[in-house]
Amino acid sequence: GENVEQHPSTLSVQEGDSAVIKCTYSDSASNYFPWYKQELGKRPQLIIDIRSNVGEKKDQRIAVTLNKTAKHFSLHITETQPEDSAVYFCAASPTGFQKLVFGTGTRLLVSP
Amino acid sequence: GAVVSQHPSWVICKSGTSVKIECRSLDFQATTMFWYRQFPKQSLMLMATSNEGSKATYEQGVEKDKFLINHASLTLSTLTVTSAHPEDSSFYICSASSGLYDEQYFGPGTRLTVT
Repeated sequence: GENVEQHPSTLSVQEGDSAVIKCTYSDSASNYFPWYKQELGKRPQLIIDIRSNVGEKKDQRIAVTLNKTAKHFSLHITETQPEDSAVYFCAASPTGFQKLVFGTGTRLLVSP
Repeated sequence: GAVVSQHPSWVICKSGTSVKIECRSLDFQATTMFWYRQFPKQSLMLMATSNEGSKATYEQGVEKDKFLINHASLTLSTLTVTSAHPEDSSFYICSASSGLYDEQYFGPGTRLTVT
């Protein structure tokens, strides 16, 4: 089955810096890759997603890139702010199953 | 739009008892619902996938007789933890999908503590 690895597990940056989180997946048939932000005790919130027919997607300060050949995708946050501090999860969806396989999470801390 | 609710938001029960958690899609029809478990500082682990009117599909290692899932309508799925033990204490999160574009909408989660 699908396996998703995520790095780094923790990431500390200064406000205004950029943050990059990387994920690799194992199932070449996976075709949907969402990113979630989760604050303590809250539900995961979808922040951006990308499908396998697209290489890059951007939404204001957030962007995601996908390399299907290498089977990895990355989350880029520019001009980070303290309110970006949270745990971020990547996920991959094996074709036809809809279910999501989550990465292990990255705890992002943005210091003022 | 696309709101999913869960009830209760938290529950404390005694070891050996059963507890039921409800997951509702409030403004759309959920053909598929998913149940996840999340231990502190860990990722979300899929427990089972349920489609309306059919039996749930459990992930490997999840005891189907212990975690009973019922998806009786297009807006409601329930998870019953039977004979709960302290090791079942966790954050249980459901999600729902209308099946069109794969996006899942998550509920707010239920924190279960078994004493």
